Amino acid sequence: DVKVTQSSRYLVKRTGEKVFLECVQDMDHENMFWYRQDPGLGLRLIYFSYDVKMKEKGDIPEGYSVSREKKERFSLILESASTNQTSMYLCASSFYRQDAHIQPQHFGDGTRLSIL
Amino acid sequence: KQEVTQIPAALSVPEGENLVLNCSFTDSAIYNLQWFRQDPGKGLTSLLLIQSSQREQTSGRLNASLDKSSGRSTLYIAASQPGDSATYLCAVQTGANNLFFGTGTRLTVIP
Repeated sequence: DVKVTQSSRYLVKRTGEKVFLECVQDMDHENMFWYRQDPGLGLRLIYFSYDVKMKEKGDIPEGYSVSREKKERFSLILESASTNQTSMYLCASSFYRQDAHIQPQHFGDGTRLSIL
Repeated sequence: KQEVTQIPAALSVPEGENLVLNCSFTDSAIYNLQWFRQDPGKGLTSLLLIQSSQREQTSGRLNASLDKSSGRSTLYIAASQPGDSATYLCAVQTGANNLFFGTGTRLTVIP
């Protein structure tokens, strides 16, 4: 079974702090994704990566950065946390193939982040 | 831009009832549609994935249909159980890295 592990289930940080959210997958997937989920807005893509050291902006990248130094690990960084970044953050991964569009994304359990 | 809508936002049914959840999308140029289940405070569990060339997929008591031309999908749950209580999300994929989600239907099955 695919396993996508997010390092923290719950996290509380203060405004202005630098925050790291970590995600690890064990299936040798090329693609990795970070989403945030907010009531009434659904899931929105922040960043994704299709290879080590490669990254692409999603729909809402402002205020975030990412790091992919190893294939299995994808980190989301809040450079200076703000209260409007309080949310549920979900990591996902998938295989890349030429027919990648039919490869489903597998999700972690999420990190509920509160910024005070 | 693709928009995905799920109606109703919440649904309560007595145990044993059959039920249908609805999903609609605005752009029929999709590669696949996926139904997920999300328990409170948890991540997403994939239930069914329908390729754009398919009409339906079945898994146990779940059956998902896809009508790409009309931009609609339904998730049918037979003989509902309290353990089916969760939020159900549909998502359409329009590219290798483009997955658009609805806001979900919160289902409560009453014992």
